[in-house]
Amino acid sequence: GESVGLHLPTLSVQEGDNSIINCAYSNSASDYFIWYKQESGKGPQFIIDIRSNMDKRQGQRVTVLLNKTVKHLSLQIAATQPGDSAVYFCAEKSRGGSNYKLTFGKGTLLTVNP
Amino acid sequence: DAGVIQSPRHEVTEMGQEVTLRCKPISGHDYLFWYRQTMMRGLELLIYFNNNVPIDDSGMPEDRFSAKMPNASFSTLKIQPSEPRDSAVYFCASSRQGSTDTQYFGPGTRLTVL
Repeated sequence: GESVGLHLPTLSVQEGDNSIINCAYSNSASDYFIWYKQESGKGPQFIIDIRSNMDKRQGQRVTVLLNKTVKHLSLQIAATQPGDSAVYFCAEKSRGGSNYKLTFGKGTLLTVNP
Repeated sequence: DAGVIQSPRHEVTEMGQEVTLRCKPISGHDYLFWYRQTMMRGLELLIYFNNNVPIDDSGMPEDRFSAKMPNASFSTLKIQPSEPRDSAVYFCASSRQGSTDTQYFGPGTRLTVL
């Protein structure tokens, strides 16, 4: 039979509004987190990262917040533009040893309406 | 910088055929990663190399999959024999040091096995 695909969480915003994309992680041993943006037909593109010893980090129009107590990560995009429309993934890396694996979340589809 | 280069961009083959995907990492990057992306399972790490040596292949689905990195500028992912369930987008990524260094993704190879 045909496989049932994932239903990505979807966020739809108006151009100029602020966007907040959320991500929950399960591994309390994770010490490094990254947000990637993936446009249709392209590979994931690095946006911003944060280490577990930080709560907040800002980039150009983007801010990442990390709440280790509830294992929650968020990406805030200010003044969202049509070019921000994409799937956004959070990824985490577990602490320790030579483990360089990133574990990716399922993604959130952001649609920006002009 | 040309970024990570993958070929072919699209591959359509019949079940049972051998498929070879190719990747050229960014010059100077010591780590190379192969990922698979499907709607059902999202983005999964298959294998990664450090200085051309396979470090962790625990994500490789089964013996039909193999990966090599004969030199610092070239890697292949081979599927033999291919099956319809191998249909996915395969990404190659590279990073400078691996652990907390940004992974740069290629454009991907969309594989369809009929």
